[in-house]
Amino acid sequence: DQQVKQNSPSLSVQEGRISILNCDYTNSMFDYFLWYKKYPAEGPTFLISISSIKDKNEDGRFTVFLNKSAKHLSLHIVPSQPGDSAVYFCAASEYVSRGDSSYKLIFGSGTRLLVRP
Amino acid sequence: DGGITQSPKYLFRKEGQNVTLSCEQNLNHDAMYWYRQDPGQGLRLIYYSQIVNDFQKGDIAEGYSVSREKKESFPLTVTSAQKNPTAFYLCASTSKGPGSPLHFGNGTRLTVT
Repeated sequence: DQQVKQNSPSLSVQEGRISILNCDYTNSMFDYFLWYKKYPAEGPTFLISISSIKDKNEDGRFTVFLNKSAKHLSLHIVPSQPGDSAVYFCAASEYVSRGDSSYKLIFGSGTRLLVRP
Repeated sequence: DGGITQSPKYLFRKEGQNVTLSCEQNLNHDAMYWYRQDPGQGLRLIYYSQIVNDFQKGDIAEGYSVSREKKESFPLTVTSAQKNPTAFYLCASTSKGPGSPLHFGNGTRLTVT
């Protein structure tokens, strides 16, 4: 069963408007949540993260919101630009060994964002 | 520049052959990971290694093998036992610590016919 879910496979928005990408998770023990952006035939690049003890983190045009009670997080991009068009992955950090801070990331299935000029 | 290098970019093999995908990093990271991406799916964890000479199975380890003889290198072998080997393979590394993001290579597209 998927522990991290991105239920919208695609999203299309107009340039300059807000893009909202959503992610749901099932494991309340996840410590951190991360968003990655991926272009075709390339590796994902890290965008922004949030600790499970916070409810908001902002970095320029990107803001991530975390609602722990709902086990839901979202990535807001304002204003959206055509260069933002890519696949966005939500990921959750699960500790493998707390003794040496070892962990692994569990990824959602991704949302393809298209920003129309 | 520091980074993760995966080679080759594209790889073609006949069914029944083993193939090894290379992953090298010069970021001095302790932890390294192998993920697989299939169309319309997220990244699924194959194997990971937190330290040299040690590695653990991920969620889909069957049909794969790895080694970690050096800190910089984490090669993945796709064996003939892997039922659906055609996929996009991604290697990543990170320094240990809460919330440290994974840094990914640019991937290897493996096609088995």
